[in-house]
Amino acid sequence: QVQLVESGGGVVQPGRSLRLSCSASGFTFSTYVMHWVRQPPGKGLEWVAVIWYDGTKNYYGDSVKGRFTISRDNMKNTLYLQMSSLRAEDTAVYYCAREFASMTGESYFDYWGQGTLVTVSS
Amino acid sequence: SYELTQPPSVSVSPGQTARITCSGDALPKKYAYWYQQKSVQAPVLVIFEDSKRPSGISERFSGSSSGTMATLTISGAQVEDEADYYCYSTDSSASHRVFGGGTRLTVL
Repeated sequence: QVQLVESGGGVVQPGRSLRLSCSASGFTFSTYVMHWVRQPPGKGLEWVAVIWYDGTKNYYGDSVKGRFTISRDNMKNTLYLQMSSLRAEDTAVYYCAREFASMTGESYFDYWGQGTLVTVSS
Repeated sequence: SYELTQPPSVSVSPGQTARITCSGDALPKKYAYWYQQKSVQAPVLVIFEDSKRPSGISERFSGSSSGTMATLTISGAQVEDEADYYCYSTDSSASHRVFGGGTRLTVL
C-alpha cells in the first residue's frame, strides 16, 4: 500500500534552516510528481512546492519562494524540503503529497503523509 | 496570485442539506476538487473533477460547478460529516496549486 512518512520537523530558531524528508513506499516513486503542503496551527491548507517526477521542474508558493528548495532522490524514494531563513509564520504541519495525473490533463493529491510539525520560535 | 474563496463556516441540522461554495476566476476552465479534513488528520479527497466521487466516499457527497463557482453538496448531513472542507484547483498556467481558505461545517 502507498505510504508517505515525513520526518525532520522540530523546533528551530528564526533565521535558521531545517530539512524535511518524506520517505515513500508502495508505489514507483520516480514516476510521480510530488508536493509539499503545509498547515499552520488552527489555519487552512497552503500549497508550498511541487517537483516533477524526474526533478527537472519545480515551482513554489509565493510565501516560500527564494527561501525553500524542494528536491528528490529517486534512488532513495525520498522527497525533501530544505527550508532556510525560517520565520515564525512558517510554523506549521508540513505534509508531503503524491499527485495523481488524470486522463483529463489535470491532477490532484491522492495520497498524503501524516505530517511533521515545524515550530519556528526563539 | 490566484485565490479560491470559501465561506468560513456553514451550519446545518442533522438530515439537512449543506452547501459549501468555492469561487475562483479560473474555475470556468479548471476543475474543482474538494478535500475533507477532520481534526489534525491528513485531508481526504471527497470530490474530484467538479462532480466525481472517489470510491469509498458516501453518496451524500456531490459536487457541481458553474462559471466561476463550484459547490460541494452534502445531502442529509450527518454528525460524522462535521469537518473542515477545502476546495482545490490550479491556476491558469497549471504551475501553481491553490487551496481555498476552508469551510468549517457544523452539524448540530
